[in-house]
Amino acid sequence: EVQLVESGGGLIQPGGSLRLSCAASGFSVSSNCVSWVRQAPGKGLEWVSVICSGGSTYYADSVKGRFTVSRDNSKNTLYLQMNNLGVEDTAVFYCARRVLPYYGDSTWGQGTLVTVSS
Amino acid sequence: DIQMTQSPSSLSASVGDRVTVTCRASQGISNSLAWYQQKPGTVPKLLIYGASILQSGVPSRFSGSGSGTDFTLTISSLQPEDVATYYCQKYNSAPWTFGQGTKVEIK
Repeated sequence: EVQLVESGGGLIQPGGSLRLSCAASGFSVSSNCVSWVRQAPGKGLEWVSVICSGGSTYYADSVKGRFTVSRDNSKNTLYLQMNNLGVEDTAVFYCARRVLPYYGDSTWGQGTLVTVSS
Repeated sequence: DIQMTQSPSSLSASVGDRVTVTCRASQGISNSLAWYQQKPGTVPKLLIYGASILQSGVPSRFSGSGSGTDFTLTISSLQPEDVATYYCQKYNSAPWTFGQGTKVEIK
C-alpha cells in the first residue's frame, strides 16, 4: 500500500527551526515527485516545495532561503528543514506524492501541525 | 510567477444541479492543471489531472476541461457527498501554485 506519514511538527518560538519528516512506504521517494503543501488554520492550500526523481528542488517564494527539502533514499524518507520560522508559517504541513509531474498528487499524508508562537 | 484565480469563492446549489467551477491562469499553462477536493477535516483528494483526465476511482459526474489559461471543473449532478472545497493547481513549472479554493455547499 502506498502511504506517507509525516512527523516532526510541534510548537516552536518565532525565529526557531524545525525539521519535518515524511516517511514513505509502497514506493520509492527517489523515483517519484514528493511535494510539501501547507494549510494555515481555516485557509486554503499553499504549495511549499517539491523534489523529483532527478533531485532538483523548487520552493515557493514565501519560503525560499528559509526552507530546505531533502531526502534519504536509504530510509525512503523526505525532510523539510525549516529555519527562521514566523507566525505566518503556522499550518498543517502535508507531504504528497505523484509519479511524474503530469499526474497530480494522488497520495497524501495525514499532515503534521506546526505552530509558531511565543 | 503565474497566479491562479478561482471563481466563485463559494456557491450553493441543489442536489442534482450542474455545478461549474472556473480556474484562470495569469499566463498559459497548456494542460498542466489538476483539481483536488477537500472535505472538512480530511486531506485533499486528486480528482483530475492533465486538465481533463479523471483520476481512477473518481465518480464520472466530475469532469474537467480547458487549456492554456481557462479551465473548468464540472459536477454534472451535485450529490450531498460533494460538499467540499475544490482547488485547482498548476504544475507546468515551479511554483506549483494552487487556486484560492471554491467552497461548494448544498442549498
